[in-house]
Amino acid sequence: ETGVTQSPTHLIKTRGQQVTLRCSSQSGHNTVSWYQQALGQGPQFIFQYYREEENGRGNFPPRFSGLQFPNYSSELNVNALELDDSALYLCASSLLASSGANVLTFGAGSRLTVL
Amino acid sequence: QQPVQSPQAVILREGEDAVINCSSSKALYSVHWYRQKHGEAPVFLMILLKGGEQKGHEKISASFNEKKQQSSLYLTASQLSYSGTYFCGTELGNAGNMLTFGGGTRLMVKP
Repeated sequence: ETGVTQSPTHLIKTRGQQVTLRCSSQSGHNTVSWYQQALGQGPQFIFQYYREEENGRGNFPPRFSGLQFPNYSSELNVNALELDDSALYLCASSLLASSGANVLTFGAGSRLTVL
Repeated sequence: QQPVQSPQAVILREGEDAVINCSSSKALYSVHWYRQKHGEAPVFLMILLKGGEQKGHEKISASFNEKKQQSSLYLTASQLSYSGTYFCGTELGNAGNMLTFGGGTRLMVKP
């Protein structure tokens, strides 16, 4: 069973630019969540996609947007980059069930540096 | 609201035990525990559900006190491989695993 893969692993952008991060979810999973992890902090929930629609969103501005594709892979797009957007962006996939809680499988992340 | 983890950091010798706590000011549906090593993905350790159900697959135990809204992760007979940062993630309801993570507890196990 393949895990969650993310690309690119590292990238550097300048303020005002736009970035797209990609994620392939684990086989059998139907839900993708994105988290932002600043250095030395816990991950912060950005949003979740289920059946190609945004299923929930954390406290992030609209310039953070996403997509989920029919094969359950996903993209995170960030427009008008700011210095504070520098962080590790983690993708996590899971199987959304009607009851109980389920394991999130995380990718290793994309490290974004904004100069 | 972000759960509060304590302690922020702990250093152990191999074979020693440790307890990491995760507290919430709101009633929780579930608590998830993950360990993250430097430069790697967070790895699942344990889920505890309101009502007492637990899911886990490592030699690590945990508890969930619903009255206190606090979960504790118990690391016994620690090994070098236990080193890393431990995060608890919480859900207020069955919301599809949209977790709010604590600030983390950094654990270092020395020989």
